[in-house]
Amino acid sequence: GESVGLHLPTLSVQEGDNSIINCAYSNSASDYFIWYKQESGKGPQFIIDIRSNMDKRQGQRVTVLLNKTVKHLSLQIAATQPGDSAVYFCAENRGQAGTALIFGKGTTLSVSS
Amino acid sequence: DAEITQSPRHKITETGRQVTLACHQTWNHNNMFWYRQDLGHGLRLIHYSYGVQDTNKGEVSDGYSVSRSNTEDLPLTLESAASSQTSVYFCASSGQNTGELFFGEGSRLTVL
Repeated sequence: GESVGLHLPTLSVQEGDNSIINCAYSNSASDYFIWYKQESGKGPQFIIDIRSNMDKRQGQRVTVLLNKTVKHLSLQIAATQPGDSAVYFCAENRGQAGTALIFGKGTTLSVSS
Repeated sequence: DAEITQSPRHKITETGRQVTLACHQTWNHNNMFWYRQDLGHGLRLIHYSYGVQDTNKGEVSDGYSVSRSNTEDLPLTLESAASSQTSVYFCASSGQNTGELFFGEGSRLTVL
């Protein structure tokens, strides 16, 4: 069936390490993907997005990679900091930009000092 | 500053009662969404709207309804609350041609 999912529910890293959070999707028609960060007690916040005509996009300390061949999306966080501890969601847009997003289940990132 | 606000932030109700969660945004966004968040399920789409008088069902719409009488508001109504609807509810909005959703702080609903 169609779904957006994450490979691992939790990820623990040391401060300063690079983190990689993975996401698999099954709808080959999806053309837009977004990563969100959710801190405890708050609503999700936009991190970075990528369209299906790209395979890589970089932001500040974050990089999103898209592999359409295997329907895989990843979020890389460089030099992970304690403030990066949160739940990370990938989301998929199955229509035009601005339409409803379908979210994966989330990965909890824990950063220890 | 423009924002999106939800109310109430916390509510406890009884099974069978009607409950309405309010969502108000001041960005003048056409698109508004309601999600529920439960452990093990992530965020699931309940209903959404692409403009005034437009409403659409999402992944888990049974037992919920919305109405869009103006651009700023998308209230979510539980006609007859059930214990399975105990959850944290998030409202979000977005502008045209962008996938970036702006989320509210959430409304925690407990149905006893």
